[in-house]
Amino acid sequence: DGGITQSPKYLFRKEGQNVTLSCEQNLNHDAMYWYRQDPGQGLRLIYYSQIVNDFQKGDIAEGYSVSREKKESFPLTVTSAQKNPTAFYLCASSIGGVTSREQFFGPGTRLTVL
Amino acid sequence: LAKTTQPISMDSYEGQEVNITCSHNNIATNDYITWYQQFPSQGPRFIIQGYKTKVTNEVASLFIPADRKSSTLSLPRVSLSDTAVYYCLVGLNTNAGKSTFGDGTTLTVKP
Repeated sequence: DGGITQSPKYLFRKEGQNVTLSCEQNLNHDAMYWYRQDPGQGLRLIYYSQIVNDFQKGDIAEGYSVSREKKESFPLTVTSAQKNPTAFYLCASSIGGVTSREQFFGPGTRLTVL
Repeated sequence: LAKTTQPISMDSYEGQEVNITCSHNNIATNDYITWYQQFPSQGPRFIIQGYKTKVTNEVASLFIPADRKSSTLSLPRVSLSDTAVYYCLVGLNTNAGKSTFGDGTTLTVKP
């Protein structure tokens, strides 16, 4: 089956700890994205990558870091510098380039910082 | 950066047609209009995309007037399972950093 996987579905961490969220896709998509969603609100773009070994900051990149060493993987690290990290995190991918049409989303990871 | 405005919520009944309008006054010449559907605790799912006039697929229609400053998502004969949040997204497909999800429209379908 082709798609995007995110793990784990639920994640609990103590305040002050860094945590890495996994995102893997087997759709052969060039572009990948990370969004944050807070209760009752829309999605806000954290980082995106249009090609391997390259990524750009979105609207709320502070306190987050990413890497794109492989086409199929785009992990997100939530650092201790992120003031309010408890949220629902969504990863997405798209074909990219001028033929890009839609973003395909993973099931999300709900992070709770205690 | 194209900003969108949608109604916060809408109610409907099963079997009715639902129209959700999105305003995007500063849409750029090369921007596309895309609608997504999101159920609680799930990632959004693509519904439909258009550039101008009318687009129809198996689940919805998208109406875009000539000035492209607004668009209307039309859901024919909704059912209870269409209860969800609907997002209007305006921007270039090739540059996700220049398009944003607003807060969406929460559609509640009643029996």
